[in-house]
Amino acid sequence: GEDVEQSLFLSVREGDSSVINCTYTDSSSTYLYWYKQEPGAGLQLLTYIFSNMDMKQDQRLTVLLNKKDKHLSLRIADTQTGDSAIYFCAESRRDSSASKIIFGSGTRLSIRP
Amino acid sequence: EPEVTQTPSHQVTQMGQEVILRCVPISNHLYFYWYRQILGQKVEFLVSFYNNEISEKSEIFDDQFSVERPDGSNFTLKIRSTKLEDSAMYFCASGGQREAFFGQGTRLTVV
Repeated sequence: GEDVEQSLFLSVREGDSSVINCTYTDSSSTYLYWYKQEPGAGLQLLTYIFSNMDMKQDQRLTVLLNKKDKHLSLRIADTQTGDSAIYFCAESRRDSSASKIIFGSGTRLSIRP
Repeated sequence: EPEVTQTPSHQVTQMGQEVILRCVPISNHLYFYWYRQILGQKVEFLVSFYNNEISEKSEIFDDQFSVERPDGSNFTLKIRSTKLEDSAMYFCASGGQREAFFGQGTRLTVV
C-alpha cells in the first residue's frame, strides 16, 4: 500500500541547515512534494520533484530524491525563525485522472536561537 | 497570485445537522480535492474530482459525504448528519497534473 513516513520532530540552531527526511513505499510515485504548515494555517506548497530527477534546488531549499531507496529529503539552508512550521512530505502517482496526494505525518521544525 | 479560497473559516454545528463547506478553486485548474486533518493528526485524503465526477475516494468518504461543482467555479463538500468525530480542519485543493494548491481550510466543530 501507499505510506509516507517522517520523523516527528527536528530542532536546529538559527543559521544552521535543516534536513528533513522522508521515506515512501509506492514505487509508482511520480511526484514527491514538500508542504509547509504554519500554526493555524493551510498547507503551502514549497516545492516538488518529478521522480526521474534526483535533485532540485530553489533558493534556500534543496530536495534530494533517492528513488532506489525511496528516500526524499528537504534541506533548508540558513534556517530562520520564520521557518518554524510543520513540514509534510507527500507523494502521488499522477496519471490520466486526478490522483490523490498521500501525506506523511509531518515533521515539526523548531529553531533554537 | 491566485489562491484557493475556502468559506467559512470556522463552522460550529450541532451533531446531526448538515453542513456545506465551500471552496473556490484556482481558475483553469481541472483537478479538485478535499482533505481533512483532525487536530494533531495526519492530513487525510477524502476525495478527488475531475471532469465533473469523482475520480477517487477514500474509505472515509462514505454516504455521509458528497461533493458538487454546482456552477463551474465553486466546489462544495456536504457532510450529512454530522458526528462529533467529524470535527476537523477540512482543506480544499485544486491543481493541474503536477501540483496541488491548498486553501486555508475550514475548521469544523461539531458539538
